[in-house]
Amino acid sequence: DTEVTQTPKHLVMGMTNKKSLKCEQHMGHRAMYWYKQKAKKPPELMFVYSYEKLSINESVPSRFSPECPNSSLLNLHLHALQPEDSALYLCASSPPPGFSPLHFGNGTRLTVT
Amino acid sequence: AQSVTQPDIHITVSEGASLELRCNYSYGATPYLFWYVQSPGQGLQLLLKYFSGDTLVQGIKGFEAEFKRSQSSFNLRKPSVHWSDAAEYFCAVGPPVSGGYQKVTFGTGTKLQVIP
Repeated sequence: DTEVTQTPKHLVMGMTNKKSLKCEQHMGHRAMYWYKQKAKKPPELMFVYSYEKLSINESVPSRFSPECPNSSLLNLHLHALQPEDSALYLCASSPPPGFSPLHFGNGTRLTVT
Repeated sequence: AQSVTQPDIHITVSEGASLELRCNYSYGATPYLFWYVQSPGQGLQLLLKYFSGDTLVQGIKGFEAEFKRSQSSFNLRKPSVHWSDAAEYFCAVGPPVSGGYQKVTFGTGTKLQVIP
């Protein structure tokens, strides 16, 4: 069982919809991450929050909007997505210090129609 | 800039045979190295990590990896493969980062197929 919980597991949305992905961890980790993974590709970093502050935005389009309401929760708000945004979205967390490995959730499989 | 190369896209081994997955990295100093495994439709699970010290590291599920600085390699090995080991394997490198988070670069992955 993973200790990083992502909901929903699957999501189908139209290009005009607004939806959100949710990630939760209760391990006391203070860094949380969003990755995007296309089929047969490695995960690509999108955002990093450290101590609830956005630390990295890898030039992600503004139709993806991250939010970290508290140290246990991470959201990814989606709006006006394109079909090419269909992918597996993975959340991860890590404890301090900075060299601790990432703990991944099982992901949300997103399909944009 | 850091980078990771996994030269084998796909490997097929017989159940019970030994396994070695190759990983080469590029980084200016001593890197932090990881191996993750991903089953279809799942997230990534950490197999093992290397930060410093003993260059032969043991991980979960009977896996081990050896850090060789002279070859910039961190190859993953298992003496006897089980059918349940069939999955995608990612090597990753992450530099020491202040600020309490990791910026990890993943290799392109090696898909392992296990035949009876």
